[in-house]
Amino acid sequence: ELKVEQNPLFLSMQEGKNYTIYCNYSTTSDRLYWYRQDPGKSLESLFVLLSNGAVKQEGRLMASLDTKARLSTLHITAAVHDLSATYFCAVDRDDKIIFGKGTRLHILP
Amino acid sequence: SAVISQKPSRDICQRGTSLTIQCQVDSQVTMMFWYRQQPGQSLTLIATANQGSEATYESGFVIDKFPISRPNLTFSTLTVSNMSPEDSSIYLCSVWERDSYEQYFGPGTRLTVT
Repeated sequence: ELKVEQNPLFLSMQEGKNYTIYCNYSTTSDRLYWYRQDPGKSLESLFVLLSNGAVKQEGRLMASLDTKARLSTLHITAAVHDLSATYFCAVDRDDKIIFGKGTRLHILP
Repeated sequence: SAVISQKPSRDICQRGTSLTIQCQVDSQVTMMFWYRQQPGQSLTLIATANQGSEATYESGFVIDKFPISRPNLTFSTLTVSNMSPEDSSIYLCSVWERDSYEQYFGPGTRLTVT
C-alpha cells in the first residue's frame, strides 16, 4: 500500500528565513506533485516532478525529487507572508494520486 | 489547463437524505476522480470514474453509499446517500490531463449534515 509522509506537519517561521518541507513515500511512483491550499479554497498545482533528479522552481519555491530515496523536498527561500498556506505532496501510482497529510505553513511578519 | 466547476458549492442537509454533486469540465478528459477532505485533514480518494466503465472505489468506500455516474467525457456526478453527520466534509472533483501530467481540482462542495 502506498503511503506518503510529510514533515513537518506544522511550521511557523519568520519572514526572510529559508526552510524545507520533506515528503517520503513508500513504494515506487510514476509522478510526484506539490499543491498549495489556502483556507477555504481548493488545491492549486505548484509542481509536477516526473523523473529522478527533477528540479523545478517558481519564485521562492523549489521542488526536487530523488526517486531512489523516495524523497521529495519543497524548499522555501526568503519566506514572505503570502506563502502562508497548507502544502501537500501527492504521489501517483497506477493512475491514482495519494496525498500526504499536508504541512501547515505559517509565516510571521 | 482544465477548468472544473462543481454544483452545489455548499449545502446543509438533514440526516438520512441524499445529495448529488455535479462536476463539469471544460474539456474532454478520460480520468476523473472524487476526493473527500474532512475539516483540517488531507484529501482521501473516494473513487476513480472513467467514462464507459464502472467507477473504481477505494477501500472504505462503497457504491451503495457513494454512487457515481460518468455519462460523458466532461461530466460526472457523485451522490452521498443516506447521509449522517460523519459525511460532513468537502467533496472535490479532480481530472488528470494526460498531455501535461497535471491533475486539477474543482472548487469543492462543502457539505454539512445535521
